[in-house]
Amino acid sequence: QQPVQSPQAVILREGEDAVINCSSSKALYSVHWYRQKHGEAPVFLMILLKGGEQKGHDKISASFNEKKQQSSLYLTASQLSYSGTYFCGTGDQGGSEKLVFGKGTKLTVNP
Amino acid sequence: DADVTQTPRNRITKTGKRIMLECSQTKGHDRMYWYRQDPGLGLRLIYYSFDVKDINKGEISDGYSVSRQAQAKFSLSLESAIPNQTALYFCATSDVQGMSQHFGDGTRLSIL
Repeated sequence: QQPVQSPQAVILREGEDAVINCSSSKALYSVHWYRQKHGEAPVFLMILLKGGEQKGHDKISASFNEKKQQSSLYLTASQLSYSGTYFCGTGDQGGSEKLVFGKGTKLTVNP
Repeated sequence: DADVTQTPRNRITKTGKRIMLECSQTKGHDRMYWYRQDPGLGLRLIYYSFDVKDINKGEISDGYSVSRQAQAKFSLSLESAIPNQTALYFCATSDVQGMSQHFGDGTRLSIL
């Protein structure tokens, strides 16, 4: 079952914050976040494992609520370089290496 | 050199042709994956392999086949290409922990 991402698209001005959500109807073991810039390959951002942890690096962080089967990606004080499409990939109890990706959220950061 | 290399980068071919997309990696990872990306649909898993003798179907394997020739090589074949297989194809690898996947630059395939 493909996870549902929201919003589908968001436009920001540099310095603004954004939240991207990822929801699944299945019990999750892990949530992975990737960013894909136009014309490039997806690039791994971070992984969150069952346990409700929160992670982050630089000004991008994420949370994982396993009871609600949801994850959120937080982008703080956005930079132009944050523009791209963000995908969540979910792994179930059977093996987190086999991911099911959402349809993506397109983030545009303008000057 | 790229850690995950896909060839060709672009391919235009005709309906009914047999096509092979190749992927090689220098990361030493055991696990390899083939995805298909269509606009607005995200990444969908076609096949995955956890080692040379282990190959598994993903969510959209119909019309595709794979071969894992070695730990470092994983090929995707379209036996008889059809226009709705036009898409961007990505190969990815991960280590045994599966903590992150590393993608190649993709192959843009057009079937006329």
